[in-house]
Formats: sequence, C-alpha cells, structure tokens
Amino acid sequence: EAQVTQNPRYLITVTGKKLTVTCSQNMNHEYMSWYRQDPGLGLRQIYYSMNVEVTDKGDVPEGYKVSRKEKRNFPLILESPSPNQTSLYFCASSLSLHTDTQYFGPGTRLTVL
Amino acid sequence: GQNIDQPTEMTATEGAIVQINCTYQTSGFNGLFWYQQHAGEAPTFLSYNVLDGLEEKGRFSSFLSRSKGYSYLLLKELQMKDSASYLCAVREEVAGTALIFGKGTTLSVSS
Repeated sequence: EAQVTQNPRYLITVTGKKLTVTCSQNMNHEYMSWYRQDPGLGLRQIYYSMNVEVTDKGDVPEGYKVSRKEKRNFPLILESPSPNQTSLYFCASSLSLHTDTQYFGPGTRLTVL
Repeated sequence: GQNIDQPTEMTATEGAIVQINCTYQTSGFNGLFWYQQHAGEAPTFLSYNVLDGLEEKGRFSSFLSRSKGYSYLLLKELQMKDSASYLCAVREEVAGTALIFGKGTTLSVSS
C-alpha cells in the first residue's frame, strides 16, 4: 500500500531534550516536506527536499533541522525543543515538485513542556 | 508576497449545496489545490486546477479564474461526513516552497 508513515504519532517531551520525528514513504517520491499546523495559522512549511542530499528552508525553519540521506526517509530533528514548537506536524511527499498532489502522513502531535 | 484568503467557518444542512471561496495573491502561480481535513487527521487531496474553468469530480467541483485570483470549491448533496476543514493551497512558480496554504474553512453540516 502506498503511504507516508510518521513516528511517533504522539510525543510529550521537555524543553531542551533533542528529538527526531521520522518520515518514510514507499512511493519512490523525489519531493518531501515537513509542515506544522497550528490553530488559526494553518499549515506552514518548515523544510523541504527535492531529492537525496538536497534540502532547503520553508517558511518557518527556525529551531528545526532535516536530512535526506535516502530517498524514502526525511527525518525532522529538533535539537533543543522549546514550548513554541508544540504543534501538529505533517510530513508529505510527491513524485516531484511539479506533480499535482502531495500525500500526507498521519501527523505527529508534539507537546513540549 | 503571498496571501490566501478563505472564510473561517461555514454552516450548511444535509442535502444542500455549499460554495467555499478562496482568493489569492502570489508572486507566481502554478496551480491551485483543495484539500479536505477532518479534525486531527491528515489533509487529503480533493482537486487541482491550473487552467481557468471548472473541474468536476463526483459531488465536488472546483473552479479557477487566474485573472481574478479566485477559486471556489462546490460541494453538492452535502452529507454529515463532509463536516471538515477545507484547505485552499496555491503552488508558486518559483522553486522553493511548493504549496502555500490558506488557513482553512471549517464546514459544519447539520441534519
């Protein structure tokens, strides 16, 4: 089954404790990206990757890192999480930057205390 | 700059027709998307318009006017399960951020 998976789905952590949210897709998609979704602000892009070893900042990259060592995986790293990073995070992928749809993962609800 | 506007909330009754509008201002335009998102779930793709006109897909249709920076999503024969947020998103021509999302319209369908 074609899908985008994220882990963990829920996480409660404390300020400053490094964490990684994994994202994996099995569709051989080139383009992957991370979004955060907050009430009243909608979906905002954090980082994106157009292919292996090619990543770039989105609208709200501060406090996040990503890597793309393999085509299928695109982890989101919070080196020192802060409470303002409490949010619902979505990973998404598409065949390329210019195809007509992105497929979203199920979401990761992160709470930073 | 980028700006996408859509109403925050709408209500309708089962069996009715509802139109959700979206206006946008972007520095380049390369397609407009509509996504449906149920509370706590991931967005799912509904429609894509890149040329002016109407795209019909079952009970859902989407319209685009590039000259006016305007789109709408039309939902017919509303069902309770259509209660969700509807997200308008615009893809820009420049490389980089693939999709700029509006804040979404929460539709409540009552019986």
